[in-house]
Amino acid sequence: KAGVTQTPRYLIKTRGQQVTLSCSPISGHRSVSWYQQTPGQGLQFLFEYFSETQRNKGNFPGRFSGRQFSNSRSEMNVSTLELGDSALYLCASSSGTDLAKNIQYFGAGTRLSVL
Amino acid sequence: ILNVEQSPQSLHVQEGDSTNFTCSFPSSNFYALHWYRWETAKSPEALFVMTLNGDEKKKGRISATLNTKEGYSYLYIKGSQPEDSATYLCASTSYGQNFVFGPGTRLSVLP
Repeated sequence: KAGVTQTPRYLIKTRGQQVTLSCSPISGHRSVSWYQQTPGQGLQFLFEYFSETQRNKGNFPGRFSGRQFSNSRSEMNVSTLELGDSALYLCASSSGTDLAKNIQYFGAGTRLSVL
Repeated sequence: ILNVEQSPQSLHVQEGDSTNFTCSFPSSNFYALHWYRWETAKSPEALFVMTLNGDEKKKGRISATLNTKEGYSYLYIKGSQPEDSATYLCASTSYGQNFVFGPGTRLSVLP
């Protein structure tokens, strides 16, 4: 069974640009969550999608958005990039309906550098 | 907003030593606690999902306990091996709240 796949693995962008990251969950998983990892803030929850609907959202500005497709693949978009958006972005998929009580399987991440 | 703390921040032990670290979280409206192991250059790997006060879970040489009334969880590693070297993260959630991760405990096991 294939794991969670994130593309691309690395990205370099400049301030003001926008970026789209992709996440393909484990087959059969309907929940996809996104996280941001920075040295100063640690791992922070961005949002969770379940069956194409955003179910939970963290405390991030509206520049961070996402969506989920009918095949459960998810994309995260960051518009008007800022230097502080440089981070490792992880997605995780889960099989159950209750995110809090189910194991999350993480992808390898996309490392975004904003210059 | 939850504040999840972990101690110690880092730890060096000798191969064969047993060790433990702590995750502290607000006890009010507790819903669930997760433990993850994150090895360098790999993805975080879930170790345990714990929900009930008094829960004890075990996976090989690693075990965890949960006290929801006082707001802490312990992770134990028995007979540490070099391959246990990783950052151990806990994440807690309360009713109606999102996951909040602790800063992690970085474990180095010296051969």
